Amino acid sequence: GENVEQHPSTLSVQEGDSAVIKCTYSDSASNYFPWYKQELGKGPQLIIDIRSNVGEKKDQRIAVTLNKTAKHFSLHITETQPEDSAVYFCAASYLPGNQFYFGTGTSLTVIP
Amino acid sequence: GAVVSQHPSWVICKSGTSVKIECRSLDFQATTMFWYRQFPKQSLMLMATSNEGSKATYEQGVEKDKFLINHASLTLSTLTVTSAHPEDSSFYICSAHWTYNYGYTFGSGTRLTVV
Repeated sequence: GENVEQHPSTLSVQEGDSAVIKCTYSDSASNYFPWYKQELGKGPQLIIDIRSNVGEKKDQRIAVTLNKTAKHFSLHITETQPEDSAVYFCAASYLPGNQFYFGTGTSLTVIP
Repeated sequence: GAVVSQHPSWVICKSGTSVKIECRSLDFQATTMFWYRQFPKQSLMLMATSNEGSKATYEQGVEKDKFLINHASLTLSTLTVTSAHPEDSSFYICSAHWTYNYGYTFGSGTRLTVV
């Protein structure tokens, strides 16, 4: 089955700096890679996703890049703000209708 | 957009009792539902896969007699934690999938505390 690894496990950045979280996956058949933000006591919220036919996707301060050859994808957050502090999970799946394999999570702290 | 209503959002129960968690797709038919569990400060791990009208498929290490999953209709799947113990305390979340346009959506999750 699929194996998703995520690094780093914790990340602290100064407000205004950029944050990068990286994930690798093992199954070349995976075609969908979402990123989730989870705040304390809440469920994961989708913040951005990318399909395997796209190399990069941006949404304001958030971007995701995908390298299918190397089987890794990354989350980039620019101009970080304290409200970006949360746990971020990457995931991989083969859609339609298959399970998500989640990374182990990155606890991001943005220092004011 | 597609919405999955998951209830309850939180529940506290006594050890030995059973708890039922519902995931209901409000505006679409979910051909497949997945149930995940998240222990504190850990990632989400798949517990089981359920397809409408058939028996659920459980991941290794998940007791099917303890975690009963029913997917009797295309809009409702339930997870029943039977004879709950404190070690079952966790965050349970479902995801509902449909086949056209590769769609899916997560429920909001249920925090179960067994005392």
